[in-house]
Amino acid sequence: QVQLVQSGPEVTEPGASVRVSCWTSGYTFTTAGYGFSWVRQAPGQGLEWMGWTRVDNGNTIYAQKFQGRVTMTTDISTSTAYMELRRLRSDDTAVYYCARDPGASVFDIWGQGTMVTVSS
Amino acid sequence: QSALTQPPSASGSPGQSVTISCTGTSSDIGAYNYVSWYQQHPGKAPKLIISEVSKRPSGVPDRFSGSKSGNTASLTISGLQAEDEADYYCCSFAGSRNVFGGGTKLTVL
Repeated sequence: QVQLVQSGPEVTEPGASVRVSCWTSGYTFTTAGYGFSWVRQAPGQGLEWMGWTRVDNGNTIYAQKFQGRVTMTTDISTSTAYMELRRLRSDDTAVYYCARDPGASVFDIWGQGTMVTVSS
Repeated sequence: QSALTQPPSASGSPGQSVTISCTGTSSDIGAYNYVSWYQQHPGKAPKLIISEVSKRPSGVPDRFSGSKSGNTASLTISGLQAEDEADYYCCSFAGSRNVFGGGTKLTVL
């Protein structure tokens, strides 16, 4: 079955960067039109959409809030999606999820989440 | 970039029906039939339960249904069961971006 497995928890300091990985299996990574959205959830809070990257053409769209600080990429050779967030602040502390995105605002398969803690 | 508006809580007894609303604007829910709903149990990843306003993915019970009128989308859960107790989030396409609702905590009494 389709699976998205994310990298482990991260603890980092303000000002640093973090990269979260999302390994996929069980489907054709390069299916036309498919991509990955990244969604985060601060402790006790709701879901926040961060952006989207499409696998076949590399197009990306980032939420305005994260533009300039985030980069989302995919590696076809390893069927992996990545999200890098830079210049981290304490309010970036959250669980970060990758989700397969076939379009139409549908996030049909989710990773298990990666806890990122930003603390001095 | 305001989130969609959901009631913070909802409740119902087993067997009853409950409806959760999700209010947006003419730039998101009102403009596109791209509304999805997600169920999240504590400590777990969200799960897609409704896509494109009213489509149910394979494996989702037909007790879950979705609809839309104007700028408001709704999720209805009929025949409530104990395992339906969870947080529910709506999401809408808003023209090159997606926006989530603030979430509704459903309690099964």
